[in-house]
Amino acid sequence: EPEVTQTPSHQVTQMGQEVILRCVPISNHLYFYWYRQILGQKVEFLVSFYNNEISEKSEIFDDQFSVERPDGSNFTLKIRSTKLEDSAMYFCASSVMGWNTEAFFGQGTRLTVV
Amino acid sequence: GIQVEQSPPDLILQEGANSTLRCNFSDSVNNLQWFHQNPWGQLINLFYIPSGTKQNGRLSATTVATERYSLLYISSSQTTDSGVYFCAVDNNDYKLSFGAGTTVTVRA
Repeated sequence: EPEVTQTPSHQVTQMGQEVILRCVPISNHLYFYWYRQILGQKVEFLVSFYNNEISEKSEIFDDQFSVERPDGSNFTLKIRSTKLEDSAMYFCASSVMGWNTEAFFGQGTRLTVV
Repeated sequence: GIQVEQSPPDLILQEGANSTLRCNFSDSVNNLQWFHQNPWGQLINLFYIPSGTKQNGRLSATTVATERYSLLYISSSQTTDSGVYFCAVDNNDYKLSFGAGTTVTVRA
């Protein structure tokens, strides 16, 4: 069964460093997303991406965040200068369309900023 | 934005018991999904159910879109059912809004 895959599964980084989280969405899906979950809290939407551009972003997704689809299969989330409060589980998701279709989530990347 | 409320926040069950989890939402939706977050943090898709009823093994779900709620039923619970259950909805703005979850603990 097709699945969304994320790498790495865990990442520890020093405050102020840049990190890139990687995702391979399901191959025939057109919409891609990043969500995050701070420990013990609910899952929060960060950004959606369609046709090589951002279609929606939350207030969390400020200038330190960026997304890119560098090739036909990968979808990345970059955090330019990490802060302690960026420590969270980051989930990538994809769906065939942006609405009325099921979103499938990757297994997550646990980011720890020290 | 749309509000999603889940109840109860915590549920402790004996193995073999049945339970019902509820999700209320504040506006019409075109997507509703139930997820199980396992102890490793993975979000497992349970149901895509913007309306109607579905069943998958011991789990079933019903969404009454006109009354803005969804129910997840767990029957004959097992210890592997433990974890957090999330409801998430989309009302045509290209993103899922999650509830706070119901933490289920099934005791042997």
